[in-house]
Amino acid sequence: AQTVTQSQPEMSVQEAETVTLSCTYDTSESNYYLFWYKQPPSRQMILVIRQEAYKQQNATENRFSVNFQKAAKSFSLKISDSQLGDTAMYFCAFSGSNDYKLSFGAGTTVTVRA
Amino acid sequence: DGGITQSPKYLFRKEGQNVTLSCEQNLNHDAMYWYRQDPGQGLRLIYYSQIVNDFQKGDIAEGYSVSREKKESFPLTVTSAQKNPTAFYLCASSPWTGRGYYGYTFGSGTRLTVV
Repeated sequence: AQTVTQSQPEMSVQEAETVTLSCTYDTSESNYYLFWYKQPPSRQMILVIRQEAYKQQNATENRFSVNFQKAAKSFSLKISDSQLGDTAMYFCAFSGSNDYKLSFGAGTTVTVRA
Repeated sequence: DGGITQSPKYLFRKEGQNVTLSCEQNLNHDAMYWYRQDPGQGLRLIYYSQIVNDFQKGDIAEGYSVSREKKESFPLTVTSAQKNPTAFYLCASSPWTGRGYYGYTFGSGTRLTVV
């Protein structure tokens, strides 16, 4: 399995501010896919954003954006204008281009304060 | 609406018992997966299946068994050989075409507790 590392177990952010979650991964492949999943207190896993490695442009989904640094094998998630509903655990995940299994990081718990 | 249904939501197991967790999907996805979630360890892959009547061990398969008799169904049995089964179990599925690209669709999970 590929190694995915999330070095921040917990983060706290004030409502309306910005928070950035870090993720690094280890792979020898040149093409692959990266994902951020959100797990709110309901524990339902929700796909937040997806990035294809061969696309240089960073993916964005409304208030969520990534900073994909392929050479550094880094895939950080930025949450802008944080809302109380963003409170959740966030998982970074990796999939090879010819694989269909996801490898997950340990997760980062984000708490948005009112 | 299409989705993945896991049942039951909560399950209690006595020492020495086998229990089976259900996972059903109506997304017409080829691949299905079982993950275990423990605090601070993320999601770890137990078993996965690409097609009917075929499945492979993941990273932590010991003490678990699965079957894939129908495309829609991928039940997980936690056997008495699993020494620390208390955890949150997540089932997921993905299409085979364009594999890797789509990521997973997840069920809502089963919380298993040993009593």
